[in-house]
Amino acid sequence: SQKIEQNSEALNIQEGKTATLTCNYTNYSPAYLQWYRQDPGRGPVFLLLIRENEKEKRKERLKVTFDTTLKQSLFHITASQPADSATYLCALDMGYGGSQGNLIFGKGTKLSVKP
Amino acid sequence: GAVVSQHPSWVICKSGTSVKIECRSLDFQATTMFWYRQFPKQSLMLMATSNEGSKATYEQGVEKDKFLINHASLTLSTLTVTSAHPEDSSFYICSASRPSGSLNEQYFGPGTRLTVT
Repeated sequence: SQKIEQNSEALNIQEGKTATLTCNYTNYSPAYLQWYRQDPGRGPVFLLLIRENEKEKRKERLKVTFDTTLKQSLFHITASQPADSATYLCALDMGYGGSQGNLIFGKGTKLSVKP
Repeated sequence: GAVVSQHPSWVICKSGTSVKIECRSLDFQATTMFWYRQFPKQSLMLMATSNEGSKATYEQGVEKDKFLINHASLTLSTLTVTSAHPEDSSFYICSASRPSGSLNEQYFGPGTRLTVT
């Protein structure tokens, strides 16, 4: 079965630095890979989606890369701010016959940005 | 933007009782909704896929007679935890699916914290 690993359970960085989070998966590549933000006691909030035929996607200070050879996605937050502190989740949408919407989630990486 | 609500946001119940959790898509119609469960420091685990007007599809290991799902309208799905036990204590999150081109965008509810005593 498909497994997802988000290598770091926690990541602490200084404000202004770039945070880089890693998501690795086993087996076959998903059609879509998504990143979510989850604050304590809240549901996930969608951030970015990248397709298997895309190498990189950007949105404001966020950047996602997708390497199907390495079976890895990297999630970057540039010029990080304390407000970026949250848990970030990687999710795979296997997309059989188009996106089905049911997602396989990683455990998440808890990011703390210190002022 | 699309909004999904859940009610209640938290509930405490006694062992052996049943609890109903509602998931509503407030500003769009959702043919498909999903129910997830999240234990502390664990990933969200998909429990079941709920399709309007038909029976839910449960993931392996999830008891359909214990976790009753009803998707009676395009904006409402309910999850009933029957004969709840302390091990059912968890964070239950729903998501509603909205088609966008070839994708099905997921909008998550705020979650319901269930504590069974």
